[in-house]
Parts: sequence; structure tokens; C-alpha cells
Amino acid sequence: SQQGEEDPQALSIQEGENATMNCSYKTSINNLQWYRQNSGRGLVHLILIRSNEREKHSGRLRVTLDTSKKSSSLLITASRAADTASYFCAKRMNSGYSTLTFGKGTMLLVSP
Amino acid sequence: SQTIHQWPATLVQPVGSPLSLECTVEGTSNPNLYWYRQAAGRGLQLLFYSVGIGQISSEVPQNLSASRPQDRQFILSSKKLLLSDSGFYLCAWAGSLVPEAFFGQGTRLTVV
Repeated sequence: SQQGEEDPQALSIQEGENATMNCSYKTSINNLQWYRQNSGRGLVHLILIRSNEREKHSGRLRVTLDTSKKSSSLLITASRAADTASYFCAKRMNSGYSTLTFGKGTMLLVSP
Repeated sequence: SQTIHQWPATLVQPVGSPLSLECTVEGTSNPNLYWYRQAAGRGLQLLFYSVGIGQISSEVPQNLSASRPQDRQFILSSKKLLLSDSGFYLCAWAGSLVPEAFFGQGTRLTVV
């Protein structure tokens, strides 16, 4: 079954602005991952944060994890039109580690 | 380097016809393999995953089945397609030591 939700479902911003997407989950996780999907394509892994980490950076991406609130956020700074895509969080649980469970995603539109 | 191949890219099938989607992985051994389905504008639903040859776990009871006849081959099948089987099917692999998943380009299935 789906674990948690991403919000917002859709986000529209201008180039140069920051975009923040949130992800919540219900049960204990081993790690949480963020993926990007361009329309009609497969997903591409962006960044992973482990349950004992609170923040990670990769280029213009910043991910935070709050295990007490069971939530994570993905921040894309200085957004570009090429960042337009759907973004998904995926959870690896401690129980059932082999499965990777995705949320419904946030559709990001960055206008020039 | 590892690559994942999924075909066909698009498929239009009549109701009641059989289905076979194939996914193969190169450059790694004993991967965890996954089949996901994505309805239009929705998140990814995990259908099946496999941690080894002949080992299939089903997440959602449905009209579909999966098989893993070889270490790096994962097949999604149906004996008789339903209209509700339409969607975007994604194959993915992950390693036991590498927690992120790598996706194929997907198959757009339309059942008419």
C-alpha cells in the first residue's frame, strides 16, 4: 500500500525561485530517496538520505529528514525551466527492506 | 556499467488478449527486480518484486503475474487483459548493497 503523501500535488514557480516539496510516511524507514520523472519516461534517482541523517546536499538539491515527524523535504534552489518534472519520494522500510514504496509525487512546473 | 532494458515502449492490445512485457538488466548480478504500474497523473504502485530466480512477491492481487526465469530477466504477464490494465509499466532494479533503484524507460500499455 502507498506510504504517506507528498505535498503539494502540483507546484508552479518562476525560474530562479526555490521549490520545496514535502513527503510524509507512516512506519519506520531505513532510508528515504527522491526521484525525478520527466513526462512519459522512467524515474531517475536524485538523492538518498538515511534514517540517521538529518540533511544532505547535492548541487542545487537539499534534502532534510525529520524522523520524529516522519517527514522529509526536497528543496531545489535557483530553479530552471529544465527542472520541470514530477518528483517522488520513495521509502525503504526497516521491515520489508526489499521493497521500495513510492508516494504520488509532486508535479513541478518552472516557467521561464 | 549497469543498464536496464525494457520493451516494448508502447503497446496497444485488445481486451482479452495476453500480455508479456520483458525487462533485462546488464552489468550486475543477483539484483532485486521490480514491476511498477503508474496510472495517468498518479504515483507508482508496486506490483511485483523479486530477490532471486524464481522468487516472486506480489504486492497487489490482480490480473497480472510475474516470472524471473533468469537472474537478470523479469517478465510481466497476463493471460487475458482487462481495460483496467491500461497504464504505464516500469521495471526497476536495485542491488542489495546499493539502495537506490534504476528504472527502465517504461511501457505505455493501452487496452482497447
